[in-house]
Amino acid sequence: DADVTQTPRNRITKTGKRIMLECSQTKGHDRMYWYRQDPGLGLRLIYYSFDVKDINKGEISDGYSVSRQAQAKFSLSLESAIPNQTALYFCATSVGVSTDTQYFGPGTRLTVL
Amino acid sequence: GESVGLHLPTLSVQEGDNSIINCAYSNSASDYFIWYKQESGKGPQFIIDIRSNMDKRQGQRVTVLLNKTVKHLSLQIAATQPGDSAVYFCAETGGTYKYIFGTGTRLKVLA
Repeated sequence: DADVTQTPRNRITKTGKRIMLECSQTKGHDRMYWYRQDPGLGLRLIYYSFDVKDINKGEISDGYSVSRQAQAKFSLSLESAIPNQTALYFCATSVGVSTDTQYFGPGTRLTVL
Repeated sequence: GESVGLHLPTLSVQEGDNSIINCAYSNSASDYFIWYKQESGKGPQFIIDIRSNMDKRQGQRVTVLLNKTVKHLSLQIAATQPGDSAVYFCAETGGTYKYIFGTGTRLKVLA
């Protein structure tokens, strides 16, 4: 969905490096999310933000941090990357009303060697 | 492209036939359900949704059926086309931020 963009699309890094994944949206949505996807598993929530001043941990936040720079921007950082953080990472947004469909970005494939 | 799931169940259908993809959801308190389509190398794409006060909802070539008694959701695709080939997964939520996502089913359309 072109309304939600992620950079980079692919990244290979080494163990111990700090990595930042960026997400931008033009949907005007207040809520933004970061998920990771691993083979054979459903999407798992890392962090979510309901507005610029509201950031919350998801089910697998250890080893990750986030920054909500603006309504439209939500970044995910891996402070010290490790190989088991190799995965597909998706950013998503939602309106934040009762019908709360999430719209996903194209993903970032991260490989940690 | 990236493989979303290396060991996903696979449904193979002939082009033009109807496809039915099933999902067993986990939380009886969930009241909103979504079907997503994920093509190789792309993010999940919204297909159709349904609320728990409905049993059926139709879109363009797609129908979602909800059976709350057995916590079962299905996606029916009419006249399946090659462009329908993808991984399909369901998501459920109880109206909070938390979604539970299924692992998905790979749909292969045979020419």
